[in-house]
Amino acid sequence: GNSVTQMEGPVTLSEEAFLTINCTYTATGYPSLFWYVQYPGEGLQLLLKATKADDKGSNKGFEATYRKETTSFHLEKGSVQVSDSAVYFCARENPGRRALTFGSGTRLQVQP
Amino acid sequence: DTAVSQTPKYLVTQMGNDKSIKCEQNLGHDTMYWYKQDSKKFLKIMFSYNNKELIINETVPNRFSPKSPDKAHLNLHINSLELGDSAVYFCASSQDGRRNGYTFGSGTRLTVV
Repeated sequence: GNSVTQMEGPVTLSEEAFLTINCTYTATGYPSLFWYVQYPGEGLQLLLKATKADDKGSNKGFEATYRKETTSFHLEKGSVQVSDSAVYFCARENPGRRALTFGSGTRLQVQP
Repeated sequence: DTAVSQTPKYLVTQMGNDKSIKCEQNLGHDTMYWYKQDSKKFLKIMFSYNNKELIINETVPNRFSPKSPDKAHLNLHINSLELGDSAVYFCASSQDGRRNGYTFGSGTRLTVV
C-alpha cells in the first residue's frame, strides 16, 4: 500500500533540545515526500519537501533527508523553540495519484 | 491575500440538516481537494478535482457531494448530516503538487449536534 508511518506523540522537549520525528513510507514507486506543520487552531502549512532519493528539504531550521535505502524521511531540528509546538505530519504523493497520503501526525510540545 | 480561503470557519448544525462549505483559491492552481481531519487529527483525502473534473472520489458516503463551478472554486455539500460527520474539513489546491507541494485552507470545524 501507499502508507506513511510516524512515531506516536506527544513528544515533549525542553527549549533548545534536539528534535527527531521519525517517518517511514512503504516503498511503492518513487513518491515525493513532505512535512507539514499544523499550529494550534490553524490549517496545515508546508514545512519542507523532497522529490527524489538523497534530496534534503530544509526550512526554518528543520531538515529531512529522503533515504531510499531505509524508506525514511525523518524530521530534525537542532534547537527547538516554544514556538515550534505544533502537530507535524509526514506525507507522500505517488506518481500518477495527485493526492497526499498523510501519516497520523506527531504532536510536539516544547517547554520553556 | 488569502491563498486558499474556505467559509465558514465554524459550523454548528443539527442532525439531518443539509449544509455547504465553500472554498476558493487565488493561486491559479489546476487541482483542488477536500480532506477530512477526525478528532484524532488523522487526515484523509475525500475528493479531488482537476480543471472542474472529478479525479479522486474516495470511499465517502454519497451524502457528500463536491461541486466545482470553475477551477478556482470547490464547494462541499453535505446532506442529512450525522453525528459522525463532525470533523475539520480542509480545502487544498496544487499545481504540480509533487514538486511544489499543496496549499491548505485554514479549515472548517463542523459540529453536528
